[in-house]
Amino acid sequence: QITLKESGPTLVKPTQTLTLTCTFSGFSLSTSGVGVGWIRQPPGKALEWLALIYWNDDKRYSPSLKSRLTITKDTSKNQVVLTMTNMDPVDTATYYCAHLVGADFDYWGQGTLVTVSS
Amino acid sequence: DIQMTQSPSSLSASVGDRVTITCRASQSISSYLNWYHQKPGKAPKLLIYDASTLQSGDPSRFSGSGSGTDFTLTISSLQPEDFATYYCQQSYSTPYTFGQGTRLEIK
Repeated sequence: QITLKESGPTLVKPTQTLTLTCTFSGFSLSTSGVGVGWIRQPPGKALEWLALIYWNDDKRYSPSLKSRLTITKDTSKNQVVLTMTNMDPVDTATYYCAHLVGADFDYWGQGTLVTVSS
Repeated sequence: DIQMTQSPSSLSASVGDRVTITCRASQSISSYLNWYHQKPGKAPKLLIYDASTLQSGDPSRFSGSGSGTDFTLTISSLQPEDFATYYCQQSYSTPYTFGQGTRLEIK
């Protein structure tokens, strides 16, 4: 059974760096073809794809956010970490991590709401 | 980036209705199109991948079709649990962009 869970701060101040951790079970990020991605959703708005990392350490980023994002994996801990620098109130959103096979997000975490406010 | 445009943005329908949601890509994406549904306060769930393959365990009243730039999601007979927001997502090239969503409401 594949499960994922996001963790991190619920409140960050503008200009701070956000660090989110996705802890997963039921699969290995060393298995060929497998990846973990991050998607966010501002309140009442649509989904926005942010970044992903594959089993071979191939990393992809949203072009509009690429300068602010870093994604890493720790295969031994079954974790993927997303950092986003220079947070702004417009970055207030629920952040999801999801399991990927190819480019299909077939299992999602429950999401974590991050509010950016001073 | 490939832009994904869904229509309509919202839709009111009744239990038992047949409903179709469309998704258009700004360039050809072959059949690399996924559909998700999301209920309030919950994470999205993959419903259909590769434009027409139903995710395991999902009911057969859901079907997807299309290729190239134009795609449809059809629900043959709406059930109460189907009232949700539906998103398309292209899986052709990164960034794997989503549509803006279609909110399906009870009439």
